[in-house]
Amino acid sequence: AQSVTQPDIHITVSEGASLELRCNYSYGATPYLFWYVQSPGQGLQLLLKYFSGDTLVQGIKGFEAEFKRSQSSFNLRKPSVHWSDAAEYFCAVGAGAVTGGGNKLTFGTGTQLKVEL
Amino acid sequence: DGGITQSPKYLFRKEGQNVTLSCEQNLNHDAMYWYRQDPGQGLRLIYYSQIVNDFQKGDIAEGYSVSREKKESFPLTVTSAQKNPTAFYLCASSSWDNEQFFGPGTRLTVL
Repeated sequence: AQSVTQPDIHITVSEGASLELRCNYSYGATPYLFWYVQSPGQGLQLLLKYFSGDTLVQGIKGFEAEFKRSQSSFNLRKPSVHWSDAAEYFCAVGAGAVTGGGNKLTFGTGTQLKVEL
Repeated sequence: DGGITQSPKYLFRKEGQNVTLSCEQNLNHDAMYWYRQDPGQGLRLIYYSQIVNDFQKGDIAEGYSVSREKKESFPLTVTSAQKNPTAFYLCASSSWDNEQFFGPGTRLTVL
């Protein structure tokens, strides 16, 4: 069974500092990997995704993530954090495309990011 | 604009009542999902449907029911058998590549 671990429940960074959110996954084959962001009381918005190819993936809002198969990791990074980045971040893993459209995703428990001004 | 709508945004239920949460999408996606979100527990899958007239239980289906009579719609009923229904409920849909698009959510509170 696939699983996702986000070891950091809360992270606090200063505005302008760099950010790295950790994500480790467990899956037997090549996974589909995602990072989502959620503002309070809102739905989730996709930041970026990895299916195959280049292991460094660029996303929206200046975020990037790197797939490291040897470490089963897909960590999210941003070189300079803005106060508006304060939110909860979820990593997710999927088993890849199946016929009929779509497939289940397994989500981590999330990392709450606080940005100090 | 294409997207997913959920209604109502806030819902209050008395103990012993069934309530139905609406989810509609106009993205032409085959698959739809319902998640429950509680603080510190991430998203937990309740039910999912990969095609019309078919759906499967997720990890926490007890006390919930769904239907999928139309491609666009995937309503969730929270029954009186659900012992702790107060939570934030999220609906999502996806196409072949697993990327799930989420609605804005419904916050259900039991009075």
